[in-house]
Amino acid sequence: ETGVTQTPRHLVMGMTNKKSLKCEQHLGHNAMYWYKQSAKKPLELMFVYSLEERVENNSVPSRFSPECPNSSHLFLHLHTLQPEDSALYLCASSHSARDRANYGYTFGSGTRLTVV
Amino acid sequence: AQKVTQAQTEISVVEKEDVTLDCVYETRDTTYYLFWYKQPPSGELVFLIRRNSFDEQNEISGRYSWNFQKSTSSFNFTITASQVVDSAVYFCALRLNLGSQGNLIFGKGTKLSVKP
Repeated sequence: ETGVTQTPRHLVMGMTNKKSLKCEQHLGHNAMYWYKQSAKKPLELMFVYSLEERVENNSVPSRFSPECPNSSHLFLHLHTLQPEDSALYLCASSHSARDRANYGYTFGSGTRLTVV
Repeated sequence: AQKVTQAQTEISVVEKEDVTLDCVYETRDTTYYLFWYKQPPSGELVFLIRRNSFDEQNEISGRYSWNFQKSTSSFNFTITASQVVDSAVYFCALRLNLGSQGNLIFGKGTKLSVKP
């Protein structure tokens, strides 16, 4: 148990489906992140939330829609995805977006997404 | 631009061998932070170490050691007497000191396989 819990661990969805990924942390962290890990590519930062406010969106297509209802929960809503969106989606948290340099991130185990 | 290069895509060693994972970074900033993370097959990224740019002292933690050389912009990681449990993908990352902004920039990772 890393302190950051992601569900589901595995997800297979069709291109017309709508699904959501969930991330939960009870570490008292104020910042949460979504990363995408594709085969043979560096980890790509998708979204950053600090105190429930989205502070960064790194040119992510609108078919990915994040939601942060409180500092402990982060969602990634998915709709009309493409096969190239298949990847490991990692959630992370830190004490604050400002302090992440000092404390680093705590990562979840990820959701392995396959789009068919 | 900032960049992290891990030139070794995959390394395979036999148990008890020493192995060094290379990391070269690029940045024009004078203040920055370097990280190593381990990603076992379970998926989560496990924080191993953080160094700031003002501290070039090498660090040893059990079988792990890190060699930070600003002159060559390298932050190499050595595992002494490797064990099968060390098998994982290892990521080197760079973060700039940009207050509330500034993300972890990851290398592509090095997959280490330790065979019995």
